[in-house]
Amino acid sequence: KNEVEQSPQNLTAQEGEFITINCSYSVGISALHWLQQHPGGGIVSLFMLSSGKKKHGRLIATINIQEKHSSLHITASHPRDSAVYICAVGANTGNQFYFGTGTSLTVIP
Amino acid sequence: KAGVTQTPRYLIKTRGQQVTLSCSPISGHRSVSWYQQTPGQGLQFLFEYFSETQRNKGNFPGRFSGRQFSNSRSEMNVSTLELGDSALYLCASSLLLGGVNEQFFGPGTRLTVL
Repeated sequence: KNEVEQSPQNLTAQEGEFITINCSYSVGISALHWLQQHPGGGIVSLFMLSSGKKKHGRLIATINIQEKHSSLHITASHPRDSAVYICAVGANTGNQFYFGTGTSLTVIP
Repeated sequence: KAGVTQTPRYLIKTRGQQVTLSCSPISGHRSVSWYQQTPGQGLQFLFEYFSETQRNKGNFPGRFSGRQFSNSRSEMNVSTLELGDSALYLCASSLLLGGVNEQFFGPGTRLTVL
């Protein structure tokens, strides 16, 4: 069983659509991270959160610690948002990182 | 401020050889973590170094090792390479130790084992 589960695995959206990617985890965490990976491999950290909600531009991340669930929302999606989005958790025991398998997002003009 | 740098960016080796990858963290960052990314397994945590000491380790065989120098630069070594070691190896640096700190990723080293 994976410690971090993401859904959906693949997502295609029309430009302008509201997008939600979900992440569930089974371990106790110190923080949850949302990462973005573009073709070619480069990874950018989008959010790190341990409670509540964070917003950066058109991106919003929420976390519910009791339900062990986080969501990443993209408002007014744009083709440049096309990438793989990865949920990762820093476990609060052993300090290991666990990763979801990623959500491949394609936004069509 | 310069980002995380990794060298080399691409590497081709044959089975049985060994390889050393290098990672230079963002200036001031003391933690360096290494990750392996493959199409089949996704991203997996290898190990984390902080102040020249390995603090955390993932579930990888002993062929995978690393070290960190006093200037926080880190190297990762894989001995007796296997075909399955072909992957993108990413390092990330953070100010402090552990999962509560934002990770800044390097561009990765793509290793191909023939």
